[in-house]
Amino acid sequence: AQSVTQLGSHVSVSEGALVLLRCNYSSSVPPYLFWYVQYPNQGLQLLLKYTTGATLVKGINGFEAEFKKSETSFHLTKPSAHMSDAAEYFCAVSERTGNQFYFGTGTSLTVIP
Amino acid sequence: DTAVSQTPKYLVTQMGNDKSIKCEQNLGHDTMYWYKQDSKKFLKIMFSYNNKELIINETVPNRFSPKSPDKAHLNLHINSLELGDSAVYFCASSQDFQRGARRGIEQFFGPGTRLTVL
Repeated sequence: AQSVTQLGSHVSVSEGALVLLRCNYSSSVPPYLFWYVQYPNQGLQLLLKYTTGATLVKGINGFEAEFKKSETSFHLTKPSAHMSDAAEYFCAVSERTGNQFYFGTGTSLTVIP
Repeated sequence: DTAVSQTPKYLVTQMGNDKSIKCEQNLGHDTMYWYKQDSKKFLKIMFSYNNKELIINETVPNRFSPKSPDKAHLNLHINSLELGDSAVYFCASSQDFQRGARRGIEQFFGPGTRLTVL
């Protein structure tokens, strides 16, 4: 089975600073990769996904992520944090065969004014 | 025109009671899921149905029973509720197959049902 590791359960950044949330997966075959955001008391919303093609993918709200096969990573970045980015972020992978999603344990992002 | 809807949004009940949570998706997707999110935000898959057929059944107490009357609905019934069942339950859906080929498509989540067992 897949495993997804999100380093850092809590990340704090200053408003305007770079946001970097880390995600590593375990599969030797590159899976499909996703980042979701969960705002307080809400469901999960897709930020971006990688399935094939260009390894740098752009998502909503200025976020982007780069798939690095050699590092089995899919880190999420945003050049300049905004107060509204404070939320829980989940990395997820889905195997190219099979039905199951595997979620990381989440990273809580705090943005300091 | 909510894509994935759940009812109720909040559910407070006593230990030992039986309760149901309903989920509906209007996206025409063929697969639906139930997840449990605990107080530490950890998401755990519970069940998955594809075209009304159970395809994922994780280690969940048999007090939890999913029911899929059609591919747009997946309900979750919980018998003999326990304190440890308190959590947020999310329904999700995805279009897993199109023209026979598997798609790496994302899951769409409902707003969640916060269950509190007293």
